[in-house]
Amino acid sequence: DAGITQSPRYKITETGRQVTLMCHQTWSHSYMFWYRQDLGHGLRLIYYSAAADITDKGEVPDGYVVSRSKTENFPLTLESATRSQTSVYFCASSVSSMDRDGYTFGSGTRLTVV
Amino acid sequence: DQQVKQNSPSLSVQEGRISILNCDYTNSMFDYFLWYKKYPAEGPTFLISISSIKDKNEDGRFTVFLNKSAKHLSLHIVPSQPGDSAVYFCAAIGTDKLIFGTGTRLQVFP
Repeated sequence: DAGITQSPRYKITETGRQVTLMCHQTWSHSYMFWYRQDLGHGLRLIYYSAAADITDKGEVPDGYVVSRSKTENFPLTLESATRSQTSVYFCASSVSSMDRDGYTFGSGTRLTVV
Repeated sequence: DQQVKQNSPSLSVQEGRISILNCDYTNSMFDYFLWYKKYPAEGPTFLISISSIKDKNEDGRFTVFLNKSAKHLSLHIVPSQPGDSAVYFCAAIGTDKLIFGTGTRLQVFP
């Protein structure tokens, strides 16, 4: 299917565990982004990537690691999950970081850290 | 420092009436603005946008107004429908990427 897909949709993990959220897009968009959505904070950028093997920090990168070995995939890893990382995570992609058509978002992953 | 602000976390409007969602920004260099709509359990989707060279853009029931001197934009939905109930994010194209506001939850009741 064309588009941007995130997996899993829901995840419960324990504090201290490593967890990876997956994101895959089929448009060959250069840019990919990871956001988290929390009440009162809106959408906050965690990391983004301009191309394969090029990544950069966003607003709230601490505790997260990303990689982009292929243009279509942009996994987000929580190396040692904490309760404060309980959130809804959205992946997005775009032709450019300042694309006037905006970013296209995936359906999100709801992560609960217990 | 929140460069794009939506000061109303929630708004409740009766069906058929006008919904007005507001957004303020601090950087006068922003030259393009977008509104996104987000339903529960779904990702945000693009709704409407406006360039800084315009003060109004209309698409069906949705109109966005831009007041550059006040650094303020608003989204008008007329008439409001129950299906419009969602969270609305405004966003600005910053120096190198989109900057999102905190969102306003709109509830349209019968």
